[in-house]
Amino acid sequence: KQEVTQIPAALSVPEGENLVLNCSFTDSAIYNLQWFRQDPGKGLTSLLLIQSSQREQTSGRLNASLDKSSGRSTLYIAASQPGDSATYLCAVPNSGYSTLTFGKGTMLLVSP
Amino acid sequence: GAGVSQSPRYKVAKRGQDVALRCDPISGHVSLFWYQQALGQGPEFLTYFQNEAQLDKSGLPSDRFFAERPEGSVSTLKIQRTQQEDSAVYLCASSRTITGELFFGEGSRLTVL
Repeated sequence: KQEVTQIPAALSVPEGENLVLNCSFTDSAIYNLQWFRQDPGKGLTSLLLIQSSQREQTSGRLNASLDKSSGRSTLYIAASQPGDSATYLCAVPNSGYSTLTFGKGTMLLVSP
Repeated sequence: GAGVSQSPRYKVAKRGQDVALRCDPISGHVSLFWYQQALGQGPEFLTYFQNEAQLDKSGLPSDRFFAERPEGSVSTLKIQRTQQEDSAVYLCASSRTITGELFFGEGSRLTVL
């Protein structure tokens, strides 16, 4: 069964810093990986979807990379802002199945 | 619709009561998923539909949990004889294809007293 680990569990940074969130998964036979953002009391918002054939995907200040062979993905946030404060979750499909396995998330706090 | 819509947003039930949670997926999305999220945890898979067919219900924690999507659009998750351990946020998600990008609703927060 797929297992997903996210490090760090929590991160607090001052505004303006660049930061990296890490995601690792045990079964590399995935067809994509998705990063989500979750604000307190809210649902999940899709940030980036990386197909297995891609190495990275960019959206604004966000850049996600995928290394299937090592079972890792990173989410890079440039020039962080207080509005980036949220929990960031990565999710990968279970091998042979359509369902997703989620990590527990990284809780990010960006202070002004 | 513009996004995945879930209702009710909040539900308080007494132990033993039955509850029904509704999900309206994005129009045209074939795949629909239900997830359960406990506080401080990532979402855990419950069940999956492709159109009206329930293809995977391996994540349902007990036979008190039942989901349906009779016309391949709106889905309902029903929990019978609720227990305190059922307290969680229930998230619905849909995607255009089985491997496509997943879009989530705001969730239904269930509290069982």
